[in-house]
Amino acid sequence: GAGVSQSPRYKVAKRGQDVALRCDPISGHVSLFWYQQALGQGPEFLTYFQNEAQLDKSGLPSDRFFAERPEGSVSTLKIQRTQQEDSAVYLCASSLAREQPQHFGDGTRLSIL
Amino acid sequence: TQLLEQSPQFLSIQEGENLTVYCNSSSVFSSLQWYRQEPGEGPVLLVTVVTGGEVKKLKRLTFQFGDARKDSSLHITAAQPGDTGLYLCAGVAGNQFYFGTGTSLTVIP
Repeated sequence: GAGVSQSPRYKVAKRGQDVALRCDPISGHVSLFWYQQALGQGPEFLTYFQNEAQLDKSGLPSDRFFAERPEGSVSTLKIQRTQQEDSAVYLCASSLAREQPQHFGDGTRLSIL
Repeated sequence: TQLLEQSPQFLSIQEGENLTVYCNSSSVFSSLQWYRQEPGEGPVLLVTVVTGGEVKKLKRLTFQFGDARKDSSLHITAAQPGDTGLYLCAGVAGNQFYFGTGTSLTVIP
């Protein structure tokens, strides 16, 4: 596709459930980022991939958060044993290189009940 | 702790007014970008500035990168309701990408 695609757009889960969020980056983009965004605030960095290698996961808030990009294209962000504070919009972005401008998907709005 | 602080955090103005949004840091950035985000969508890149003192204009928007490459400003002339959104600055330092705290702008018709 022409842009970054994220699915689902909305996800509602009960506390304690596991969720998986998908990101399809722009074809050929080496770099892929995941962010967490609270309402009205700037995105907070979670993790970064260069191709299939997860080079930076310093922003993941706990060991319940796990991300993968096994073939260097599609990425999945998994949250285990979800808690209410995990409710947020999760944004995925891709770029040609880490320091280059990023192209964002429209995000997945996660609500934990 | 956010590396890039934006001010104001919220701004509500009447159509036709001018405004300036600031993005400040104590760190030096090799480049700085401005994004605009509308509700339910991801941020969209507006401009990239790379040279200290650089000024770029995009229609009614004027972007300036500070001489020391630590800060930036976004000035909007004659704001329109279509300018409403969340404005984000983002800087590159040490091969890492940092987003600012965001400025939520509402332009009232």
